[in-house]
Formats: sequence, structure tokens, C-alpha cells
Amino acid sequence: AQSVTQPDIHITVSEGASLELRCNYSYGATPYLFWYVQSPGQGLQLLLKYFSGDTLVQGIKGFEAEFKRSQSSFNLRKPSVHWSDAAEYFCAVGGTAAGNKLTFGGGTRVLVKP
Amino acid sequence: GAGVSQSPSNKVTEKGKDVELRCDPISGHTALYWYRQRLGQGLEFLIYFQGNSAPDKSGLPSDRFSAERTGESVSTLTIQRTQQEDSAVYLCASSSTIASPLHFGNGTRLTVT
Repeated sequence: AQSVTQPDIHITVSEGASLELRCNYSYGATPYLFWYVQSPGQGLQLLLKYFSGDTLVQGIKGFEAEFKRSQSSFNLRKPSVHWSDAAEYFCAVGGTAAGNKLTFGGGTRVLVKP
Repeated sequence: GAGVSQSPSNKVTEKGKDVELRCDPISGHTALYWYRQRLGQGLEFLIYFQGNSAPDKSGLPSDRFSAERTGESVSTLTIQRTQQEDSAVYLCASSSTIASPLHFGNGTRLTVT
């Protein structure tokens, strides 16, 4: 069965500092990987996705993520955090082997200090 | 509309009553998902429809929960004999093809009193 683990429930970071959110997955075939963001009072928005090819993917809002098959990881990074990045971030895994059913991690809540 | 539409946006119901939640996916999207998000929690998969295939109901928490979808259009999620632990935001999402990103609706916030 597929699963996603986001080990950090909360992360606090200062504005302007770098951010890295961890995501580990379990999937029996080549995964499709996603990061979504849920801002307070808003719906879920896709940040970026990995299907194949270059293992470093760029997304919106200055985010990037790196797929590491050997570590079953897909960590999300941003070099310099803005106050508007305070939100909850969800990693998800899916693929054709699962009929594209997406399984989400438990989320990481990011707080940004001034 | 351009996005996934869910109704109602908020629903307050008494314990034991039945509720029906509606999702209008983006036109042409073959895949439709229902997820539940309890307060402060992640997204819990409930059910997945893909085209004319049999739905994946593996996430439904009990037989009080059911969902239907007519073709590639509207879906309804029904919760019978609601319990307080059913209180959550119910999110619907759709996608155009396998491996396409999901487009989420704004959810229905269900409160069972």
C-alpha cells in the first residue's frame, strides 16, 4: 500500500531564512509526487509535481523539490521564506499502479516569525 | 464555473440526521475524489471515481458513508445517522487524466451537534 510520511508536524522559521520540509513515501512502482499548500481559510493549491525526468523540480512561489529514489524522499525547499508562506503543506504520492489515487501525508504547518 | 464547486459550504446538523454533500467537478475531468480533513489533521482519503470504472471505496470509514457519481459529472457524498466524530471539512477534487494534478474545491464544513 502507498503511504506518505511528513515527520515534522510544525516548523517555525524566520522571515528570510531557508525552509526545508521533509517527505518520505512508500510506493511499489514509479511514483508521481506532489506538494500542495493550504493557506489559512483557503483551498489546497498545487505547488509542484514530479512525474519523471529531472529530479529537481521547480514550482510556484519560489519553491522547489528534489526526488531521491534511493531515499524514497521528495523534500520541499525554499531559499528565502516570506511571511505569506505561513501555511500548511501536504506531500502526496500516486501513480498508475494505484489508478492515480493520491495518498496525502499528515501535513507540516509552517509558522513564519518576523 | 472554472473550478470544482462544492455545496453547501457549511452544514450544521443534529446527531442522527442524514446529510448529503454535493460536488461539481471541472467539466471533462474523469477522476473525482472525496477526502475528509478533521480539524488540524491531514487529508483522509474516502472514495475515488475514475471514469466508468468501479469506484475505490477503500477509505470510507463505515457503512454510514456512501457516494455516487453519475457518469463524469456531479457526485454526492451521503452520511447517514451522523455522529459528532463526522464533523470535518469534506473536500472534493477532480483531475483530467491519470497523473494530472488534482483541483480541489473549497470544501463543505460539516458540524454535527
